[in-house]
Amino acid sequence: DIQMTQSPSSLSASVGDRVTITCRASQSISSYLNWYQQKPGKAPKLLIYAASSLQSGVPSRFSGSGSGTDFTLTISSLQPEDFATYYCQQSYSTPGTFGQGTRLEIK
Amino acid sequence: EVQLVESGGGLVQPGGSLRLSCAASGFTFSSYWMSWVRQAPGKGLEWVANIKQDGSEKYYVDSVKGRFTISRDNAKNSLYLQMNSLRAEDTAVYYCARWYNWNDGFSNFDYWGQGTLVTVSS
Repeated sequence: DIQMTQSPSSLSASVGDRVTITCRASQSISSYLNWYQQKPGKAPKLLIYAASSLQSGVPSRFSGSGSGTDFTLTISSLQPEDFATYYCQQSYSTPGTFGQGTRLEIK
Repeated sequence: EVQLVESGGGLVQPGGSLRLSCAASGFTFSSYWMSWVRQAPGKGLEWVANIKQDGSEKYYVDSVKGRFTISRDNAKNSLYLQMNSLRAEDTAVYYCARWYNWNDGFSNFDYWGQGTLVTVSS
């Protein structure tokens, strides 16, 4: 199975900050990478698919980049509603493994 | 509006069985792959199983192979997960999710249910 590793595991930031979360795959996955946001007690929400495509309805302050093994999710200017846990997921092969998550907290 | 509503969770003893259901509405259920994803308390997400539109292909994470069975009834717009020989480590919230395949080969979970909690404990 492909292993997905996110860094950092947790992050403290302030409203208005620019934040970057990294996801690394254990082998090349081309651009088969998705990003999800999850708030406590809620189901995950798709933010980015195919590494850099913004899901419909997702604010443009979210962006994704990368290919091969290294990927990033960037939030250009943090808003209060962005404090949540973020997961990457590869869709290159089955099982579609997730990263361990990055918890984004308010500083 | 797409809706996925899970049911069937609860407390079960180790070695026991449970059947989860997911009722889908707001889209043509028979046109999509469907999946189960779980999340142990305080932990991350784990893809559990996928099933093709007509049920002809099914895939499982290694840890549930031989114990869990995914199935669907397109006439009832419903997805199921039969879980047998349950273990403490199967304790989790189980989400039903739609697996969307783009024309260019990319795919992702685009809609999720609210989840149903399965607790395996004596």
